Amino acid sequence: NAGVTQTPKFQVLKTGQSMTLQCAQDMNHEYMSWYRQDPGMGLRLIHYSVGAGITDQGEVPNGYNVSRSTTEDFPLRLLSAAPSQTSVYFCASSTRGARNEQFFGPGTRLTVL
Amino acid sequence: GESVGLHLPTLSVQEGDNSIINCAYSNSASDYFIWYKQESGKGPQFIIDIRSNMDKRQGQRVTVLLNKTVKHLSLQIAATQPGDSAVYFCAEISGGYQKVTFGTGTKLQVIP
Repeated sequence: NAGVTQTPKFQVLKTGQSMTLQCAQDMNHEYMSWYRQDPGMGLRLIHYSVGAGITDQGEVPNGYNVSRSTTEDFPLRLLSAAPSQTSVYFCASSTRGARNEQFFGPGTRLTVL
Repeated sequence: GESVGLHLPTLSVQEGDNSIINCAYSNSASDYFIWYKQESGKGPQFIIDIRSNMDKRQGQRVTVLLNKTVKHLSLQIAATQPGDSAVYFCAEISGGYQKVTFGTGTKLQVIP
């Protein structure tokens, strides 16, 4: 199993550009989530999904969209990038909910100029 | 709003000694607590969890203690090794096990 994969590993955007961060898992996990981690801080939940077709907002959802058309994929879209979105983004999955062990991807380091 | 925080940003421990990492939380309705370890350049890795109706849980070389009276969580690592050097986060689970709030993290440095 590849586990949780994220692409790209690094990305530089200009203010106002849009892009999609990809996340995929091959463990048939129902629960998937996106976090951002700013320097010297913990992770903050952006959006999460408890299954295909179901998504919900986390702590910091503004400026981000998600969709869950399949169990495997959970892409995160930045609608109009802003410097405040410069961060490291982690995707994670688990069998059922956040209380179960979440498996994290390697992260995407995003810089918005 | 609700928050999860840590008392010490950096903890230096001699190899072989025991480490204690602390966490304070404010949401008394949280169902579950988890400790994660994050090595440099990597995503967090699950260490151990504890339900809100428990006060202690032990794993391999790690013990988590939960004191609901003072809303305090701690992670004890026995016989700390260089491979334990990392940032440790406590996480608070609520909202029917769907939402997680991470603390700001404690960096553990193991001195050989």
